[in-house]
Amino acid sequence: QSVLTQPPSVSGAPGRRVIVSCTGSSSNIGAGYDVHWYQQLPGTPPKLLIYGNTNRPSGVPGRFSGSKSGTSASLAITEVQAEDEGDYYCHSYDSSLSGWVFGGGTKLTVL
Amino acid sequence: EVQLVESGGDLVQPGGSLRLSCAAYGFTFSNYEVNWVRQAPGKGLEWVSYISSSGSSTYYADSVKGRFTISRDNARNSLYLQMNSLRAEDTSLYYCAMAHRTTGHNAYDIWGQGTMVIVSS
Repeated sequence: QSVLTQPPSVSGAPGRRVIVSCTGSSSNIGAGYDVHWYQQLPGTPPKLLIYGNTNRPSGVPGRFSGSKSGTSASLAITEVQAEDEGDYYCHSYDSSLSGWVFGGGTKLTVL
Repeated sequence: EVQLVESGGDLVQPGGSLRLSCAAYGFTFSNYEVNWVRQAPGKGLEWVSYISSSGSSTYYADSVKGRFTISRDNARNSLYLQMNSLRAEDTSLYYCAMAHRTTGHNAYDIWGQGTMVIVSS
């Protein structure tokens, strides 16, 4: 059971907007620590999508965006495409654990 | 090309030991912090351990503290994970991962392909 809670699954039709949430607490997201997001396609290592809450690495499409408020963060995917199907993870630091933590992961299905 | 390549994964009996390696290519390894992250079959990601660029600071997840030891050899551009007292629940794909262009945020923009550890009798 991770200290960062994500919904197990989300889905959306092609071209629609999908949001993945990540709920933490006052010892991680709420303490001001950065939240990062990763995409993992089947059989491949994770790929960084968003870092420092809102920043996109070079090469990541603008359809992916991140936000943070209070003890939660969100990843938004606009105009979702079939190639976006995979697992998405949030990642932050937790001061109570004195280490980094990942959310449990969210499986995105494109209908 | 910036690259991390893991090796050393194997089938090991419960209570046994194993040493994983991660070789770094294409950048000045000694300038960067590095981590081990694992993923059990069909499960999510779990951060395992961190080491600073000089090796002077290390951190561990509670699940491995006292059993695993992270180390590095900057002269050999290599990262290691010594795993002792292995348990069935340590069965996972082990990745080395680092913040290369995202230093300051500790967001892992470089990942290896992983090396598989199976703990079973």
